[in-house]
Amino acid sequence: EDQVTQSPEALRLQEGESSSLNCSYTVSGLRGLFWYRQDPGKGPEFLFTLYSAGEEKEKERLKATLTKKESFLHITAPKPEDSATYLCAVNSNSGYALNFGKGTSLLVTP
Amino acid sequence: DGGITQSPKYLFRKEGQNVTLSCEQNLNHDAMYWYRQDPGQGLRLIYYSQIVNDFQKGDIAEGYSVSREKKESFPLTVTSAQKNPTAFYLCASSIGTKTGEEEKLFFGSGTQLSVL
Repeated sequence: EDQVTQSPEALRLQEGESSSLNCSYTVSGLRGLFWYRQDPGKGPEFLFTLYSAGEEKEKERLKATLTKKESFLHITAPKPEDSATYLCAVNSNSGYALNFGKGTSLLVTP
Repeated sequence: DGGITQSPKYLFRKEGQNVTLSCEQNLNHDAMYWYRQDPGQGLRLIYYSQIVNDFQKGDIAEGYSVSREKKESFPLTVTSAQKNPTAFYLCASSIGTKTGEEEKLFFGSGTQLSVL
């Protein structure tokens, strides 16, 4: 059975303090790893898809990387508007829909 | 603008009552999904549909029912058999092919269901 574990559950950063969020996964044949951002009371918003180990993607202050066992979402010099819950999800050969982790709640203070 | 519309934003259910959550998309996507989100929990799949007039149970289908009579619409009914229905419900869609970024999900803004 596919498993997705995100850590930490919650993270508090000062504005400008860079850090990384972790997503560990166990799947039978990875077809894609997805990162989403979710604001309170709203639906998740797509950020990135990664397909193979060594792949990296960037968007503004966010950079996602992938290895054979985990993915990292690096946040460089975060701003308060980056505060949100970040969700990781995987799609595998044995699955029929995205399988989500529990998310990391990020708070960036001024 | 293309997107997914969920309604209502907030819904209250009385004991023994069935309620229906609406989900409409104008993205011309084949696949549609319903997820449930509880505080501090990940999204859990309730039902999914890859094509009109066909749908499959997800991981937590008990107490829920769906229909897919039109490509654009995928309503979810929370029946009285669902004993713990309070949650945030998210509808999503995807192009529906099984390769690459086309499996990316687009989400609606969600419906918060509470029990009176």
